[in-house]
Amino acid sequence: EADIYQTPRYLVIGTGKKITLECSQTMGHDKMYWYQQDPGMELHLIHYSYGVNSTEKGDLSSESTVSRIRTEHFPLTLESARPSHTSQYLCASSEIEAYEQYFGPGTRLTVT
Amino acid sequence: GQSLEQPSEVTAVEGAIVQINCTYQTSGFYGLSWYQQHDGGAPTFLSYNALDGLEETGRFSSFLSRSDSYGYLLLQELQMKDSASYFCAVRDRGTGANNLFFGTGTRLTVIP
Repeated sequence: EADIYQTPRYLVIGTGKKITLECSQTMGHDKMYWYQQDPGMELHLIHYSYGVNSTEKGDLSSESTVSRIRTEHFPLTLESARPSHTSQYLCASSEIEAYEQYFGPGTRLTVT
Repeated sequence: GQSLEQPSEVTAVEGAIVQINCTYQTSGFYGLSWYQQHDGGAPTFLSYNALDGLEETGRFSSFLSRSDSYGYLLLQELQMKDSASYFCAVRDRGTGANNLFFGTGTRLTVIP
């Protein structure tokens, strides 16, 4: 069973706060991703990782940062949240061949 | 860079067949994936084509023509639960590091 978890599922937070979105997977996948998706829109890749201690920026510029200290864990941090960060954030993982990705349930972030 | 085009909306009758097209432009094509996403849910992988031809998985089939930079997803015996958004995604060297670049999605509505 493919399992990938994200917490929190929903988050409402004020401008200027620091937040960390958690993502964990139990499949032993080396590759992990963070996507940003607005309602009814496409997924934009904001970060990805090949494995431990590897992090890269994706196609969409983002003020967030990520870390990969353990294979199963890929948290995303916003140092100072702004209303423009309001969106859904989806975490995914895959084998190195990226065509089949497993997605977590997402975190719906609202910054007021 | 990459670009993908797919219709924004499609409506079809329960029990019918529907085809969702995807045309792409990319600098170094590896393959085309398809994902389904229900409202409020996470994307789930449906199929992948790296070579020309048809891939069949139950009621869903996916086709690729590399020479035409074109693919489609075919859904047969439509059910109400098939109402969702469907995304095509290219896997290519242009995204860097073997990632996926997603299209804007096609919202399928199945009516009784």
